[in-house]
Amino acid sequence: DAGVTQSPTHLIKTRGQQVTLRCSPISGHKSVSWYQQVLGQGPQFIFQYYEKEERGRGNFPDRFSARQFPNYSSELNVNALLLGDSALYLCASSRGTSGSYNEQFFGPGTRLTVL
Amino acid sequence: GQQVMQIPQYQHVQEGEDFTTYCNSSTTLSNIQWYKQRPGGHPVFLIQLVKSGEVKKQKRLTFQFGEAKKNSSLHITATQTTDVGTYFCAATANAGGTSYGKLTFGQGTILTVHP
Repeated sequence: DAGVTQSPTHLIKTRGQQVTLRCSPISGHKSVSWYQQVLGQGPQFIFQYYEKEERGRGNFPDRFSARQFPNYSSELNVNALLLGDSALYLCASSRGTSGSYNEQFFGPGTRLTVL
Repeated sequence: GQQVMQIPQYQHVQEGEDFTTYCNSSTTLSNIQWYKQRPGGHPVFLIQLVKSGEVKKQKRLTFQFGEAKKNSSLHITATQTTDVGTYFCAATANAGGTSYGKLTFGQGTILTVHP
C-alpha cells in the first residue's frame, strides 16, 4: 500500500509570494494533519482535518489555511510568505482524531525555502 | 497552551550502552505517542500509551507512561548504530474526557551512537 505522499518535495519562493502544498493520505484514512518542522525542533501542529472539516488549529497566523477534499487529500496554503516560513512541512494522515485512531503516518515532507 | 518538555536534547553513547529520554508535561495527558526521525527523514510512529502506569516493550525499547499521566520515558537497551536518530514524544491533552487530534511534540532527543 502506498504511504502518505506530498508534493512538491522542494520549493523555493520569495518573500510575499504564496505557496500551495499538497498531500494524499493513506487509503482509508479520513484525517489529515499538517505540521511545520523547523530545523532542530519538533513538528509544530498547524491544522487537522477530518471528513473535510477542520478539527484543530495550531498557533499559526491567518496567512496559513488548509482544506480537505472529498477524496480526503488536502492542501495547505501559505500567503504573504516570510523568511521565517522556511521549514519542512509535514503532512500526516490517520484513521481518525482520537485514541489509537490518531496514530500519525507522516509523509516525506515538502522543504520550503523562502528567500 | 500545552507544552511537552523533553530531555535530554542530545545524547551520545557508545554502541552497547543504554539510552533513556524523558518527556514531561504540567498538564494531564490523554495519551502519549513516541516517534523516531532518522536524519533527513520524517517521523515514524513507534507506539502509543494510554493507561496510567502503562509499560510497553518493543524488542530493546521500553516505553512507560507515568501514574499521573504527566510524564513518559523511552529506554533503549544495548544501543545499536541503527538506533541513531531523533526521538520525539507527542501528546494530546486531556480535556473533558475527549481526546483531541492536536498533537504537541516535544523538542526531541538526538541520539548518536558511536560504534
